[in-house]
Amino acid sequence: AVQLVESGGGLVQPGKSLKLSCSASGFTFSSYGMHWIRQAPGKGLDWVAYISSSSGTVYADAVKERFTISRDNAKNTLYLQLNSLKSEDTAIYYCARFDRVGTYWGQGVMVTVSS
Amino acid sequence: DIQMTQAPSSLPASLGDRVTITCRASQDIGNYLRWFQQKPGKSPRLMIYGATNLAAGVPSRFSGSRSGSDYSLTISSLESEDMADYYCLQSKESLLTFGSGTKLEIK
Repeated sequence: AVQLVESGGGLVQPGKSLKLSCSASGFTFSSYGMHWIRQAPGKGLDWVAYISSSSGTVYADAVKERFTISRDNAKNTLYLQLNSLKSEDTAIYYCARFDRVGTYWGQGVMVTVSS
Repeated sequence: DIQMTQAPSSLPASLGDRVTITCRASQDIGNYLRWFQQKPGKSPRLMIYGATNLAAGVPSRFSGSRSGSDYSLTISSLESEDMADYYCLQSKESLLTFGSGTKLEIK
């Protein structure tokens, strides 16, 4: 079965950096584009970034120039490098795979930006 | 960027009611529209894809429709397990956008 497991979250000070990981299993990771989506506490879903199977990338305006999505197909792992963090980046971060007729989500990882 | 305007933000309803949630797209998105259900502490669950297609395992009381740039999710007869947050998502462009969400709650 498809499984996505995020890790790397935690408490970080404003202006600092953090790197999230998403370990994928149960499918041929290298063949699929992947997304990061976040959800601030008590708020709605907010799409963050996408990386294609060929490593092309797209970012939401709010995170462009600060976040970097990448992948390591040999390790079946998706990454999100978060730089210059702001309090408004506090959220649960989900990795997800969107197919034409289905979607798969991880359980999410919490990132808290606070001094 | 494509904006998705979702309404209402909150929808009090009674069990057995027919309820409808709507998203309006700021540009043409064709049928690149999905609906998600999210319960507290859980990851979102796909309910509708391609604007009108029921995802696997979703009860038949859920349906999706389109009228021009307006997309709707309808629950024909509300059950207690349907109380959740619902979001639309456009995937016409690589830069995806979610609607702001609708909280469906018991009246």
